[in-house]
Amino acid sequence: DIVLTQSPDSLAVSLGERATINCKSSQTFLSDSNNKNFLTWYQQKPGQPPKLLIYWASARASGVPYRFSGSGSGTDFTLTISSLQAEDVAIYYCQQYWTFGQGTKLEI
Amino acid sequence: QLQLQESGPRLVRPSETLSLTCRVSGDSISDSDFSWGWIRQPPGKGLEWIGSFYYSGSTQYSPSLKSRVTISVDTSQNHFSLNLSSVTAADTAVYYCARRFDNTDYIVWGQGTLVTVSS
Repeated sequence: DIVLTQSPDSLAVSLGERATINCKSSQTFLSDSNNKNFLTWYQQKPGQPPKLLIYWASARASGVPYRFSGSGSGTDFTLTISSLQAEDVAIYYCQQYWTFGQGTKLEI
Repeated sequence: QLQLQESGPRLVRPSETLSLTCRVSGDSISDSDFSWGWIRQPPGKGLEWIGSFYYSGSTQYSPSLKSRVTISVDTSQNHFSLNLSSVTAADTAVYYCARRFDNTDYIVWGQGTLVTVSS
């Protein structure tokens, strides 16, 4: 079974500063079509379903601001918000297949 | 454009069966490039996979819920359903139906529906 472990569980960052969230997987998964790492990041705000941010570890979804970026390979991945905005306050989840990390709560 | 809409009772009595349906529009459940499933989120907690399926393959369930869960598919209506038996207050959650794309691995979500287990 896949296990995804996020760190930290919660994070407080000042406006305009960088936020970094990590996700470690128990296994490596690669796309059959292009050999890219399977690792997806979502943002969830209260009362809403998760919103897609990053897929294939580093591909930004349509409409996602450039301040959001993903990196990593193998079993270790990172979501970075380069300059935190007030609207970025949310819980962030990583995902592989149908498995999710426990979530990281990001606050100002 | 894909749309997923959950429907079903919002209040279920303890020990009874929770039943939800996910109506799919903008895609076919029988498309082999996708798997479909249910995810839940208890209030204030994280995301928990319940079960998922490929139309042409087997259905898989979370080991922790396997004894109580059944997912069924109706391709004529292009919808799939969740039955969770013998519910307790611990099953109170927002239930999402979702689609996963094999090529990218990302999940598209329904809006979710809050189901409360209470007498």
